[in-house]
Amino acid sequence: DAGVIQSPRHEVTEMGQEVTLRCKPISGHNSLFWYRQTMMRGLELLIYFNNNVPIDDSGMPEDRFSAKMPNASFSTLKIQPSEPRDSAVYFCASSFVLAGALGGSYEQYFGPGTRLTVT
Amino acid sequence: GQQLNQSPQSMFIQEGEDVSMNCTSSSIFNTWLWYKQEPGEGPVLLIALYKAGELTSNGRLTAQFGITRKDSFLNISASIPSDVGIYFCAGWTNIIQGAQKLVFGQGTRLTINP
Repeated sequence: DAGVIQSPRHEVTEMGQEVTLRCKPISGHNSLFWYRQTMMRGLELLIYFNNNVPIDDSGMPEDRFSAKMPNASFSTLKIQPSEPRDSAVYFCASSFVLAGALGGSYEQYFGPGTRLTVT
Repeated sequence: GQQLNQSPQSMFIQEGEDVSMNCTSSSIFNTWLWYKQEPGEGPVLLIALYKAGELTSNGRLTAQFGITRKDSFLNISASIPSDVGIYFCAGWTNIIQGAQKLVFGQGTRLTINP
């Protein structure tokens, strides 16, 4: 299995520019998570999709952030316009979770991350 | 919201020593996961625990799911230089009916002196 795939691995952009991060989850997984990691705040959950539907987006910092999952094998996280404080490592993770704690493996696997620097 | 308190925050040990770290919470979790993260990489899943009281090993790593379901520990025996990294505990919790999310501890940074 190829694991969770993220692109790009590194992104450097200027303040005000649009940034799009991409993720391909592990085949067969039905849940996808976007996280942000910084030294100050650690790992923060931004948004969680189950069966391509956003379940919890309470972690999305503000309206500049948006995420989509048009199909089971692809998701994007977009920041528009970007700001220096958005600089962080963004991780995508996937797992197989059934609703209502009915089962699933609950083992969540992370991608290698995208290191975003906004100048 | 639910939080996991992980300790210690950092550890400085000699190669060959055993390591112990733990996570506690005021809330009950149904599943505990332990991850290791190395610089420039994503967290890698080490061990998953599904039952209260469960003790699971993965090589030199041993983790236990506390009987109260509010805590877990991870032990590393006979540490080696490649054990260096940040270790995270995580627990699955319900967020809304039928949906769950993973809550992470703050991490334990392990440094090993050869």
